Amino acid sequence: ETGVTQTPRHLVMGMTNKKSLKCEQHLGHNAMYWYKQSAKKPLELMFVYNFKEQTENNSVPSRFSPECPNSSHLFLHLHTLQPEDSALYLCASSQAGGLVNEQFFGPGTRLTVL
Amino acid sequence: GENVGLHLPTLSVQEGDNSIINCAYSNSASDYFIWYKQESGKGPQFIIDIRSNMDKRQGQRVTVLLNKTVKHLSLQIAATQPGDSAVYFCAETWAAGNKLTFGGGTRVLVKP
Repeated sequence: ETGVTQTPRHLVMGMTNKKSLKCEQHLGHNAMYWYKQSAKKPLELMFVYNFKEQTENNSVPSRFSPECPNSSHLFLHLHTLQPEDSALYLCASSQAGGLVNEQFFGPGTRLTVL
Repeated sequence: GENVGLHLPTLSVQEGDNSIINCAYSNSASDYFIWYKQESGKGPQFIIDIRSNMDKRQGQRVTVLLNKTVKHLSLQIAATQPGDSAVYFCAETWAAGNKLTFGGGTRVLVKP
């Protein structure tokens, strides 16, 4: 266990559905991240939150909407997704700032869009 | 499992042999590098890191080498074990930022 949990672990949704992915970290970190890992590309950073504020949006389509209500929780709201959005969505956390940036990853949510 | 369908370079190694995984990084300004291991069904897990003011760092059964001249990073695993079978990623960052850029990954298969 890395101290980062993600739910659900698997999700199948239609293109018209709305769903949310949840991430929770129990490490006392103040930075949280969403990554996408697809079958055709390596790990891609999507969003970064530092102290609950979004500091990075890596040109992610608006059908992905992140939310960070506090430093321990991160959500990814999904709506009108496309089949090419099927991937493993990974959440990570770390201490913001400083020279060391070890990010701790959750197990991911395997998303399939039909 | 994860990465099914992703055409990763694959390193097949006999149990007990040493493994060497290579990574070419992209940004000459990068000053901090990390190796991650991702087993099937899990997220990436930190293995070892190195700063740009070093060219070698050793951990338990792992050694990371950094060649800044050619922007090359390698991970050496001594006496490879079946539990080392996984996908290995290098990642880079710079200027004390918290944005990591990951390499494409290498799949290591350990043959008993």
